[in-house]
Amino acid sequence: DAKTTQPPSMDCAEGRAANLPCNHSTISGNEYVYWYRQIHSQGPQYIIHGLKNNETNEMASLIITEDRKSSTLILPHATLRDTAVYYCIGGRGAQKLVFGQGTRLTINP
Amino acid sequence: DVKVTQSSRYLVKRTGEKVFLECVQDMDHENMFWYRQDPGLGLRLIYFSYDVKMKEKGDIPEGYSVSREKKERFSLILESASTNQTSMYLCASISGQAYEAQHFGDGTRLSIL
Repeated sequence: DAKTTQPPSMDCAEGRAANLPCNHSTISGNEYVYWYRQIHSQGPQYIIHGLKNNETNEMASLIITEDRKSSTLILPHATLRDTAVYYCIGGRGAQKLVFGQGTRLTINP
Repeated sequence: DVKVTQSSRYLVKRTGEKVFLECVQDMDHENMFWYRQDPGLGLRLIYFSYDVKMKEKGDIPEGYSVSREKKERFSLILESASTNQTSMYLCASISGQAYEAQHFGDGTRLSIL
């Protein structure tokens, strides 16, 4: 599994876009970039994933650099309920997931 | 949407008891996983199953066993619970397609006294 590096914490104002960076310089060509988040005492919630192209769904957008060494998760209009720990993971399909320390995102009113 | 349901959110058991944690998914996924999550240690894989009656050990299988008699259900068994098995247990499932993502249940916070 690719090792990922994320800032330990970030703050964002409610209603603004939250941009969470992730470095994954060792990701292999067939590994996806997955994003999950975890609110205290709950299971990880899947957000989005991608291989090479940028992706968007109802929750977020994922921007992957052309060299695939880094990516950014964008929450377009952050709300207080988006306060959570966000994990960026490299992997593929049914491989085990390895969660790092993630980014603790705090949305401020 | 994928739904992975774990039988209990919170569970308290005593040392030496046999403990059963149940997980059910409704998406006909081939692959199912049991992880445990501990502060500072991240997510660790206990067992996984890629088909009915098939199982593979993960990184920390000692003290655990699993059962997968039906495709939708994957059970984790603590044969004789010990205090060091106090943890958050997470079940996940995924189809056989490499481009899919694993989906998790809400977790079971298990305390062994």
